[in-house]
Amino acid sequence: AQRVTQPEKLLSVFKGAPVELKCNYSYSGSPELFWYVQYSRQRLQLLLRHISRESIKGFTADLNKGETSFHLKKPFAQEEDSAMYYCALRDSGGYQKVTFGTGTKLQVIP
Amino acid sequence: EPEVTQTPSHQVTQMGQEVILRCVPISNHLYFYWYRQILGQKVEFLVSFYNNEISEKSEIFDDQFSVERPDGSNFTLKIRSTKLEDSAMYFCASSLGQGLSGANVLTFGAGSRLTVL
Repeated sequence: AQRVTQPEKLLSVFKGAPVELKCNYSYSGSPELFWYVQYSRQRLQLLLRHISRESIKGFTADLNKGETSFHLKKPFAQEEDSAMYYCALRDSGGYQKVTFGTGTKLQVIP
Repeated sequence: EPEVTQTPSHQVTQMGQEVILRCVPISNHLYFYWYRQILGQKVEFLVSFYNNEISEKSEIFDDQFSVERPDGSNFTLKIRSTKLEDSAMYFCASSLGQGLSGANVLTFGAGSRLTVL
C-alpha cells in the first residue's frame, strides 16, 4: 500500500529563515514523488517533481530512498510562500493513482 | 493557461438525494480523475478514467458513485444517494498522459464543495 506521511500540520517560520517541510513515504514499488501547493483561495497546483530535479520558487526536494523521504526545502522563506503544501506519491510504473499526505500549512511570519 | 473547470462551486443537498458534479478537463488531456477532501483531512483518490472507462478506483468509490464522459468534453461524478459523510470538497483533475514524462502531471480544478444535510 502507498502511504505518505507529513508529520507537521503547521510550520511557522520567520521571513528569511530556512524552511524544511518533512515528507516520508512507504511504498514497496518504485515511487514518483511530488510536492503540490495550495495558496489561499487558489487551486492545488504542482510545485515540483523528484524526476525533474529542478528548483521552483527557490524550493528543492531530494528523494532519499534510504530514508524514504522527500523533504521540501528553501533556504530563505518569503511571505508569499505561506500556503498549504502536500507531498504526494505515485507508482512510476504507469498506475495513475496519486496518494497525498495530510498536508503542512506553512506560515511565514513577516 | 488552460484550466480544469468545475461546476458547481458549492452545492447543498439533502441526504438521499442524487448529486452530479461536473468538470471540463483540459481539452487535449486524456486521463481524468476525481479526488475528494473531507474538511481537515487529506486529499483522497476516488477514480481515474481513460479511454471512456474507469482505469482505477479506490475503496471509497463504491456503487453509490459513478463517472462518465457523456459528450467528449464534460467529465461528471454522480453520487446516487448522498450520505452525510459524502460532505467534502471534490476535485477534478486531468493529465495529458502517464509514465515518467511531464505528461503525467495532474492539473486540478478549483473544486466543488458538497454539503449534505
